[in-house]
Amino acid sequence: NAGVTQTPKFRVLKTGQSMTLLCAQDMNHEYMYWYRQDPGMGLRLIHYSVGEGTTAKGEVPDGYNVSRLKKQNFLLGLESAAPSQTSVYFCASTKSGANVLTFGAGSRLTVL
Amino acid sequence: EDQVTQSPEALRLQEGESSSLNCSYTVSGLRGLFWYRQDPGKGPEFLFTLYSAGEEKEKERLKATLTKKESFLHITAPKPEDSATYLCAVQAGGSSNTGKLIFGQGTTLQVKP
Repeated sequence: NAGVTQTPKFRVLKTGQSMTLLCAQDMNHEYMYWYRQDPGMGLRLIHYSVGEGTTAKGEVPDGYNVSRLKKQNFLLGLESAAPSQTSVYFCASTKSGANVLTFGAGSRLTVL
Repeated sequence: EDQVTQSPEALRLQEGESSSLNCSYTVSGLRGLFWYRQDPGKGPEFLFTLYSAGEEKEKERLKATLTKKESFLHITAPKPEDSATYLCAVQAGGSSNTGKLIFGQGTTLQVKP
């Protein structure tokens, strides 16, 4: 039972490049989330999904897109990376809104 | 606006020296308050959920309490392995429960032997 798996763990991009972060969970969870963590800012919600085929904006959605084509996967895309998107990204999932979130190990992204 | 503030930002303790971490919150209807532990380079790991004022939960050397405005994480006789960043988060009320959490900035605890 792997839980929440994020790939890649590390990535360096140049300004303007695009990339996709993949989050996969094997717990049959309905709800999935993407957060970013920056020093002194805490975890901030980017986008979330309450079920397959649905997505919604969180607190800091600008510059990011997401897709939830399969229940177990939640993809976070950066179409044109900017230095301000240098951060550690965490994916989380839960069975329903009333349950505890389980987090992945994080993906560290650096944009030069 | 829903908000969570944690204090102090950093705390250094000697092994065995008990202390408390604070989490103050402003939220439109509290569904739950969560405490997570985060080790360097890892994702947050769940510790406790508190739902109503007066509620307390314990796990080993940790005890979490909740009032209408704040939560405390009490650490009794800490050991070096308790060194980590402790995150507080709230889940706000509303007609639809999306499970979203609003996090504080965290308190980084260092316990010296």
